[in-house]
Amino acid sequence: AQTVTQSQPEMSVQEAETVTLSCTYDTSENNYYLFWYKQPPSRQMILVIRQEAYKQQNATENRFSVNFQKAAKSFSLKISDSQLGDTAMYFCAFMNTNAGKSTFGDGTTLTVKP
Amino acid sequence: SQTIHQWPATLVQPVGSPLSLECTVEGTSNPNLYWYRQAAGRGLQLLFYSVGIGQISSEVPQNLSASRPQDRQFILSSKKLLLSDSGFYLCARKPAGGSPSTDTQYFGPGTRLTVL
Repeated sequence: AQTVTQSQPEMSVQEAETVTLSCTYDTSENNYYLFWYKQPPSRQMILVIRQEAYKQQNATENRFSVNFQKAAKSFSLKISDSQLGDTAMYFCAFMNTNAGKSTFGDGTTLTVKP
Repeated sequence: SQTIHQWPATLVQPVGSPLSLECTVEGTSNPNLYWYRQAAGRGLQLLFYSVGIGQISSEVPQNLSASRPQDRQFILSSKKLLLSDSGFYLCARKPAGGSPSTDTQYFGPGTRLTVL
């Protein structure tokens, strides 16, 4: 079974600054996917970024990028130029390649301050 | 576009009453479908998943059941609700046999269930 750990229950950052959210996971599988989802107060789960485990290159999506360290089983999310709209709960998730079952961390609540 | 609908958006039910939550998917055929539950301030817990009509896999023993009567319809049910069934229920889809570049889960808007 897989586990996903987000060790930072809450974080805050000033608008326009950079923040990094941490995530570690445990698995015996070699091929899998990792995701960061954003959940604003509406509770809609919004995909932020995905990483394929077989790719060494870190994924980037505009202001969002990841630091994927497969050997260390670490998958952190960096948000650059933070905006007020980035305020939300962020979840790290592991998805296996068999049936696509996902395991989620408990989330990090991020507050962007003006 | 590929859209996920969940109905109802909010539900308040007494203990011991039955439950039926519906998830429908548009714009895709033969998707994998999933039911997750989210407790307040916590992450998502996978309850059931389905890779096709009539095919249901349960991830945790519980008071709930799932059915997939049609390709794009996934239903979560209970005969008698418990207080512990309260939570936020999310339906998700994933392309069946997705390629590494597209293998991703997308979520519906969710149903907030309160059992009193």
